[in-house]
Amino acid sequence: AQSVTQLGSHVSVSEGALVLLRCNYSSSVPPYLFWYVQYPNQGLQLLLKYTTGATLVKGINGFEAEFKKSETSFHLTKPSAHMSDAAEYFCAVSESNTDKLIFGTGTRLQVFP
Amino acid sequence: GAVVSQHPSWVICKSGTSVKIECRSLDFQATTMFWYRQFPKQSLMLMATSNEGSKATYEQGVEKDKFLINHASLTLSTLTVTSAHPEDSSFYICSAREVGRNTIYFGEGSWLTVV
Repeated sequence: AQSVTQLGSHVSVSEGALVLLRCNYSSSVPPYLFWYVQYPNQGLQLLLKYTTGATLVKGINGFEAEFKKSETSFHLTKPSAHMSDAAEYFCAVSESNTDKLIFGTGTRLQVFP
Repeated sequence: GAVVSQHPSWVICKSGTSVKIECRSLDFQATTMFWYRQFPKQSLMLMATSNEGSKATYEQGVEKDKFLINHASLTLSTLTVTSAHPEDSSFYICSAREVGRNTIYFGEGSWLTVV
């Protein structure tokens, strides 16, 4: 069985500050890990994903995440927040690249000027 | 890029009626589509996996007779909420797996309000 835990349902940062959204997973098989962003009243947009290979994954809009097996973590970071980054972020785990996704509860990111 | 379209985006229906939500892959073929439900301020929960030409696979706790899924073509899957009740009010979102590619695309979602 697989599960995802996102610590912090709300994160607030100032514009230009570091963004860190935490995600820990549980999986009995090598995990495929994803970060999605959801803007208000919209669907999901893939930010980045880890399948195999390099553990530091770079995504769109300046986001990146690092797969740490020893810590069972896949935290999402961005060096400098923009106002446009305000949204809901979901971490997800899967057993493959195209299988069903198990989502975390989401983290709402607020960016203050 | 690939686009998955859902229709309608918003729907209000009376309690006891049925409502159909469509999920279309606009520029690719999808043998598999997934249906998720998201209650307000909660995460997305997988309801069922829809396979073209065969019966859908439902997750535990999801009533297959209430949430009818049909995947009659490689570009269309439909979710019908039968005898809808206010507790079925939710955000329903689909995703589609592109044939021959290791990619899944999400639709924009459909808001259902049952009054």
